[in-house]
Amino acid sequence: DGGITQSPKYLFRKEGQNVTLSCEQNLNHDAMYWYRQDPGQGLRLIYYSQIVNDFQKGDIAEGYSVSREKKESFPLTVTSAQKNPTAFYLCASSNGQTNSPLHFGNGTRLTVT
Amino acid sequence: GQQVMQIPQYQHVQEGEDFTTYCNSSTTLSNIQWYKQRPGGHPVFLIQLVKSGEVKKQKRLTFQFGEAKKNSSLHITATQTTDVGTYFCAGPLRELVFGKGMKLTVNP
Repeated sequence: DGGITQSPKYLFRKEGQNVTLSCEQNLNHDAMYWYRQDPGQGLRLIYYSQIVNDFQKGDIAEGYSVSREKKESFPLTVTSAQKNPTAFYLCASSNGQTNSPLHFGNGTRLTVT
Repeated sequence: GQQVMQIPQYQHVQEGEDFTTYCNSSTTLSNIQWYKQRPGGHPVFLIQLVKSGEVKKQKRLTFQFGEAKKNSSLHITATQTTDVGTYFCAGPLRELVFGKGMKLTVNP
């Protein structure tokens, strides 16, 4: 059964710590994305990758980093430089063709105190 | 910058009522996609519209793409409690850009 797996579902960290959110897909999709969702703000693009070993900044990349060493995996690190890290983080993938729809994971809710 | 805007952001309806929500882009779009996110869930792709003036139906949901390909609408007929959630439109600009969503609540 193909899909996107994000783990963990809930994550708690102390301020000043880096934290890495996992995203794995077995859909054989080329493109992967990270979005941040805040109440009333919709979905804002953090980073995206259209192919292994390549990624681009989205609209709100500051304070985040990613890697794409494998096609199946696109982990997101929330660094201590991110001023407001508490949010709901959604990973998505697509087959990379123009206009192809996104498949989302279940999300990780990160709380930083 | 390029934006996709949704109105209204919140909609509360009585079960059985019809309503329409709108999505507007500052630029012409090659296509528009609609997603639904149930409370506590993740966005799920509903439909994609590509052609100018295109209309597509999914049961009680009717989606329309404007003639100028800069706006879209979602009309729900006879709203049910299962329709509750946030509906997002998204248009491909550099990458897919989402509107802020329209949160629907239904009074049974």
